[in-house]
Amino acid sequence: DTGVSQNPRHKITKRGQNVTFRCDPISEHNRLYWYRQTLGQGPEFLTYFQNEAQLEKSRLLSDRFSAERPKGSFSTLEIQRTEQGDSAMYLCASSPAMMYTDTQYFGPGTRLTVL
Amino acid sequence: AQSVTQLDSQVPVFEEAPVELRCNYSSSVSVYLFWYVQYPNQGLQLLLKYLSGSTLVKGINGFEAEFNKSQTSFHLRKPSVHISDTAEYFCAVNAGGTSYGKLTFGQGTILTVHP
Repeated sequence: DTGVSQNPRHKITKRGQNVTFRCDPISEHNRLYWYRQTLGQGPEFLTYFQNEAQLEKSRLLSDRFSAERPKGSFSTLEIQRTEQGDSAMYLCASSPAMMYTDTQYFGPGTRLTVL
Repeated sequence: AQSVTQLDSQVPVFEEAPVELRCNYSSSVSVYLFWYVQYPNQGLQLLLKYLSGSTLVKGINGFEAEFNKSQTSFHLRKPSVHISDTAEYFCAVNAGGTSYGKLTFGQGTILTVHP
């Protein structure tokens, strides 16, 4: 069990560029969550996958954001036409399939800076 | 909808002193409550969680929390803190049911332990 990994750890981009982040959950964890954390705030829910199915999306997830989880393993979060307001830490978490109250295990996050 | 309020944004304390980090929640349904800790440049780590049963919950690193339904609170306590407890602490609620286990976090409390 190597934990949840996220790549890259840091990303600096110019406004208007597209960026993609990757999350590798703990193996055999069927549930995967994306959260966004801005400075001085707690994480906010973005989206949730059960295996490969995206079952819920927050209203925070504008149409510039898209997330996938092909084959129910790793997940990617893409932001198109980045804006300065997208600067934040993007966190990924995974949990086993048994109960919705199961512990979510978080990765170290990807810090995005949009210039 | 549910929400979480952490009443103190920063808590300074001396080493070996007791500490309490306060958390209040609001929800129209039964809730499940969590405390996570975030060390610098690391992901969130679960300290403890309340699902049901005894209202006093013990977690890792000597922390404990008490669920108080009438006051809608879930305060975190430690009788004697160490320098290594310096970190940011987040209270979170999971409304269960159709929420798919997504967590709603408070704004965080930065605990600074001074020698």
